[in-house]
Amino acid sequence: GENVEQHPSTLSVQEGDSAVIKCTYSDSASNYFPWYKQELGKRPQLIIDIRSNVGEKKDQRIAVTLNKTAKHFSLHITETQPEDSAVYFCAASIASSNTGKLIFGQGTTLQVKP
Amino acid sequence: DGGITQSPKYLFRKEGQNVTLSCEQNLNHDAMYWYRQDPGQGLRLIYYSQIVNDFQKGDIAEGYSVSREKKESFPLTVTSAQKNPTAFYLCASSISSGGEAFFGQGTRLTVV
Repeated sequence: GENVEQHPSTLSVQEGDSAVIKCTYSDSASNYFPWYKQELGKRPQLIIDIRSNVGEKKDQRIAVTLNKTAKHFSLHITETQPEDSAVYFCAASIASSNTGKLIFGQGTTLQVKP
Repeated sequence: DGGITQSPKYLFRKEGQNVTLSCEQNLNHDAMYWYRQDPGQGLRLIYYSQIVNDFQKGDIAEGYSVSREKKESFPLTVTSAQKNPTAFYLCASSISSGGEAFFGQGTRLTVV
């Protein structure tokens, strides 16, 4: 079955710097790769996603890149702000298949220091 | 806020007792999921259901059971066979299997 590895487990950056979180997946059939942000005590919420027919997607300060050959995808946050501090999860799935299920990475705790 | 509701928010259980966590959604989503969250281990899939009256085991199904009698509801029972049930449990739903998931606010279960 699918396995998703996420690194690093913790990341501390200075406000204004960039942050990069990386994930690898095992199932080459996976075609949907979302990223979720979970603030302390709250539910995870989708911040950006990418499908396998696209190599990069950007939304303001957040971007995701996908390398299907290497089975890697990454989250890039530029100009980080203290409110970006949270736990970030990547996930992978075979969307819209009979066996589709989201498998999550272990999470990255991002701390942005003012 | 949401459209997917979990109850209760906090739950205490004595060892040896079964307990059922509720998850209801009014988003008309076909797929529903249960995840367990422990510190440093991410979200681990317990069970998922793609359609009414059908569900599949996830990676850590032992000691848990589910039912999907209605599209809107996907309750999770934590049985006495689950050796380490204290955790934060998250329910989610998506329009189709493996697509964007919307999460409930979670239930924190503590065994006392």
